Amino acid sequence: ETGVTQSPTHLIKTRGQQVTLRCSSQSGHNTVSWYQQALGQGPQFIFQYYREEENGRGNFPPRFSGLQFPNYSSELNVNALELDDSALYLCASMRGQSTDTQYFGPGTRLTVL
Amino acid sequence: QQQVKQSPQSLIVQKGGISIINCAYENTAFDYFPWYQQFPGKGPALLIAIRPDVSEKKEGRFTISFNKSAKQFSLHIMDSQPGDSATYFCAAEAGANNLFFGTGTRLTVIP
Repeated sequence: ETGVTQSPTHLIKTRGQQVTLRCSSQSGHNTVSWYQQALGQGPQFIFQYYREEENGRGNFPPRFSGLQFPNYSSELNVNALELDDSALYLCASMRGQSTDTQYFGPGTRLTVL
Repeated sequence: QQQVKQSPQSLIVQKGGISIINCAYENTAFDYFPWYQQFPGKGPALLIAIRPDVSEKKEGRFTISFNKSAKQFSLHIMDSQPGDSATYFCAAEAGANNLFFGTGTRLTVIP
């Protein structure tokens, strides 16, 4: 098991609602990345936070936003939920910009009805 | 647009056999090529990774072969075991803040 934890494990929302997902990074890691993994697909990069600042963003609309806190934990917020937002949301933490130290959490399964 | 193309989509191998998964990319700026293993209900876990300055890297039963001129890389699992049954993802990165994943290969190793 990695030291990256995510909450909640599962979540059901309806279209148009807003959701907040949480991630605690592994000890010693100051960078957090979020990924969306649709069923049967590979993870897609949403954005990354490094030292509390956004440090890169994938091809996701502005209704996907995030935060990183001083303890390096992070939140992913999604507004105006759409059916296609149903997916497994993965958080990964790493030390600095060393991707070979990146560990993934178990994910939050979001279902939008 | 899929930045990293992965094949096959699924693979069935007998115990003790060799599993081979292939990936191809177009972006020559990619400088880090990891492979991840994912079990149901878990996040991906880094298995092995390579940088383009070497053509092969071996760790235990897992080997990455890298062909820079062809822009292809592959994962070889020797002496495949039932415990290796999982979904495998190749990925590629240019800089440390955007990892592009392939679509995954579901490996089943039959006892």
